[in-house]
Amino acid sequence: KAGVTQTPRYLIKTRGQQVTLSCSPISGHRSVSWYQQTPGQGLQFLFEYFSETQRNKGNFPGRFSGRQFSNSRSEMNVSTLELGDSALYLCASSPWGGDGYTFGSGTRLTVV
Amino acid sequence: AQRVTQPEKLLSVFKGAPVELKCNYSYSGSPELFWYVQYSRQRLQLLLRHISRESIKGFTADLNKGETSFHLKKPFAQEEDSAMYYCALSGSGGSYIPTFGRGTSLIVHP
Repeated sequence: KAGVTQTPRYLIKTRGQQVTLSCSPISGHRSVSWYQQTPGQGLQFLFEYFSETQRNKGNFPGRFSGRQFSNSRSEMNVSTLELGDSALYLCASSPWGGDGYTFGSGTRLTVV
Repeated sequence: AQRVTQPEKLLSVFKGAPVELKCNYSYSGSPELFWYVQYSRQRLQLLLRHISRESIKGFTADLNKGETSFHLKKPFAQEEDSAMYYCALSGSGGSYIPTFGRGTSLIVHP
């Protein structure tokens, strides 16, 4: 059974640019959540999608957005990148959400 | 607001010693609690969840609603237990925001 796949693994962007990260959940998992992980703040919840609808949202500015497709694959977009957006972005999937997540390896985003 | 506190950033023990990683939570409803582990150069993975009441790799965790705690315990630590451990909380039902603690780094010395 394939795990959660995140692409790309590494990304370097310039301030002001935008970026799109992709996540393919485990087959059959309908809930996809995104987290930002930094040494200073730890794991912070961005948002969760379930059946193509954003079901929950963390405390991040509107520059962070996402979506989920009918096959449960999810994308996360960050517009107008700031240096502080440099982080490891983790995607996690779950059959229903709240019942334990399977995490991807993450996308390491560096903003210069 | 829900909150998860792991008071120790680092826990260092010798092989064979008992281990207890502390986790305290704040949540007004009925919580679901989890422990996740991240070994060096590996992805974050679910270790155990309180409703399963199971022992994984010799680790157990008991939910104490009176003390709002969910400490992770192992009677005899092994070197391969060295990792980063995260306590996490979800509210029951579908409308929740999952919250992770800041993590405790466990180092088991030979």
